Amino acid sequence: DADVTQTPRNRITKTGKRIMLECSQTKGHDRMYWYRQDPGLGLRLIYYSFDVKDINKGEISDGYSVSRQAQAKFSLSLESAIPNQTALYFCATRTGTGGMTSGAYNEQFFGPGTRLTVL
Amino acid sequence: GNSVTQMEGPVTLSEEAFLTINCTYTATGYPSLFWYVQYPGEGLQLLLKATKADDKGSNKGFEATYRKETTSFHLEKGSVQVSDSAVYFCALRLDSNYQLIWGAGTKLIIKP
Repeated sequence: DADVTQTPRNRITKTGKRIMLECSQTKGHDRMYWYRQDPGLGLRLIYYSFDVKDINKGEISDGYSVSRQAQAKFSLSLESAIPNQTALYFCATRTGTGGMTSGAYNEQFFGPGTRLTVL
Repeated sequence: GNSVTQMEGPVTLSEEAFLTINCTYTATGYPSLFWYVQYPGEGLQLLLKATKADDKGSNKGFEATYRKETTSFHLEKGSVQVSDSAVYFCALRLDSNYQLIWGAGTKLIIKP
């Protein structure tokens, strides 16, 4: 089974609808991230969470909200979807322990992505 | 500000060709540098990393050397395979806030 899972994998919705994307992880990591990927722009950080009680805005948080229901679950919501939110969305996790020399400390592990289309 | 610039793709090569994907960065302080790979239909995976100047990261035949003097972290492979076809992302991580800053990605196409 995959360590980081995302649901749904694909979603088509209409402008104004509320959408929730879900992310679950079995890696036991405390840090979780939501990114969006647009062609030619790479990944941009939407929100990140260092633990259940610590949630922070990223580079492009406007129009999005998140919920960290448990250490293993981090959901991204679009309250009122608009067409320019059409993108590929990735969830990622990382451990916060291990020190600077640990590979585990540096690496983010990504889910397979959710392709969202807003019409 | 902090940023990462990658060569535009797609890069199309024949099998067994030599690969270079350029990456340069702008950053305050001393970032760690990463290459991630995204195979079709999958999420990103860490390919290699370097945490200080002159370090060389390597994995699966790929290499990249952290060059502080030229602020570069170019990805190289001596002989590419069709299975290397993917999108490659260069990224930096600042110790000040631990966030990753990403390049736009370079699509690599290897033809048999």
